[in-house]
Amino acid sequence: QKEVEQDPGPLSVPEGAIVSLNCTYSNSAFQYFMWYRQYSRKGPELLMYTYSSGNKEDGRFTAQVDKSSKYISLFIRDSQPSDSATYLCAMRAGGGNKLTFGTGTQLKVEL
Amino acid sequence: DVKVTQSSRYLVKRTGEKVFLECVQDMDHENMFWYRQDPGLGLRLIYFSYDVKMKEKGDIPEGYSVSREKKERFSLILESASTNQTSMYLCASRTVTEAFFGQGTRLTVV
Repeated sequence: QKEVEQDPGPLSVPEGAIVSLNCTYSNSAFQYFMWYRQYSRKGPELLMYTYSSGNKEDGRFTAQVDKSSKYISLFIRDSQPSDSATYLCAMRAGGGNKLTFGTGTQLKVEL
Repeated sequence: DVKVTQSSRYLVKRTGEKVFLECVQDMDHENMFWYRQDPGLGLRLIYFSYDVKMKEKGDIPEGYSVSREKKERFSLILESASTNQTSMYLCASRTVTEAFFGQGTRLTVV
């Protein structure tokens, strides 16, 4: 079993839809949770960063962490064609150096 | 803006060649990482370094080595390239809260 599971998609939604992306994990030591966005032929870039459980909002993006269920989510409101990319969740244990990534979910937002 | 620069975007090498992938960061980060990215497998950590001349194996170090002689530069070395090392290679440097990635090197071994 992988430490981090993420549905690879592809996920196709119409413009303006609310998108929900999710990851589950098995390592209870993970305390730092991140979402990265990766456009085609580019390196990943950090989108959201959260520590421990709770919600964090940044514009159209909301990240949720539920440590009791070992489940994290990224919500995108009013999705735009420019949101079309692969979204990678990543996690790190407290004091650890290593980031563990999900396999990524490919999202396409259609006009 | 933090910049992580990888020396090549695309490389084609022959089986058995020694291959060097170079990465330079401009923000004085102590931690630097090499990942490979493959469809369905995501990003897998090859090696990382937390200081000059210090290195630690990641999840898939076999067939690779690294060098960190200066803080800003982290090199990945394929000692004898094989076709199963065809992949996208990503370098990253990290603060406490954020990893910054380079654009990636698409390596094809023929």
